[in-house]
Amino acid sequence: ETGVTQTPRHLVMGMTNKKSLKCEQHLGHNAMYWYKQSAKKPLELMFVYSLEERVENNSVPSRFSPECPNSSHLFLHLHTLQPEDSALYLCASSQELNYGYTFGSGTRLTVV
Amino acid sequence: QQPVQSPQAVILREGEDAVINCSSSKALYSVHWYRQKHGEAPVFLMILLKGGEQKGHEKISASFNEKKQQSSLYLTASQLSYSGTYFCGSPLYADGLTFGKGTHLIIQP
Repeated sequence: ETGVTQTPRHLVMGMTNKKSLKCEQHLGHNAMYWYKQSAKKPLELMFVYSLEERVENNSVPSRFSPECPNSSHLFLHLHTLQPEDSALYLCASSQELNYGYTFGSGTRLTVV
Repeated sequence: QQPVQSPQAVILREGEDAVINCSSSKALYSVHWYRQKHGEAPVFLMILLKGGEQKGHEKISASFNEKKQQSSLYLTASQLSYSGTYFCGSPLYADGLTFGKGTHLIIQP
């Protein structure tokens, strides 16, 4: 596969569940990002990783926990979410920080 | 504060031109433009790095006025495929782009 791949595409979880979103990029990029997209606040930056180190945490609640084990993979671990966390979660990568982004197709998350 | 885009929405006939503006109360050091079609991921269009820079490919181009802290995206002789939501973004606060709320563009035949 090429580009940025996100799994799963859709996820429904209860407020007491623990789940993880996965992002994989096959572009050799050094920076990866998590964004939340909802009707109320389009494209909210959540986390930024550069060379596997977190460089930005945009005041995201602790119920969201990112992990970047290597430059090709990014995870977003979810636990005890709220219904207002329902949104499209987009992963992106770029060659270096703030170069042009390549986005994945996103995970549509519904918290019930 | 996020970049402010205008207009919020625009409806055009095929072949008409459109201008989408992006401005910021904070200094802009670079501006990105993306297009997102319904149900799809945003797609990178272009990045402008220097004040006065203009870029474009085919009938989509952009300018960046660093002093005025604004950028504009120009769509010439619009095609049906140009429909979507256009976002501008900039690294306003730290690493990572802060995006505007988007401009919805509808092209009618």
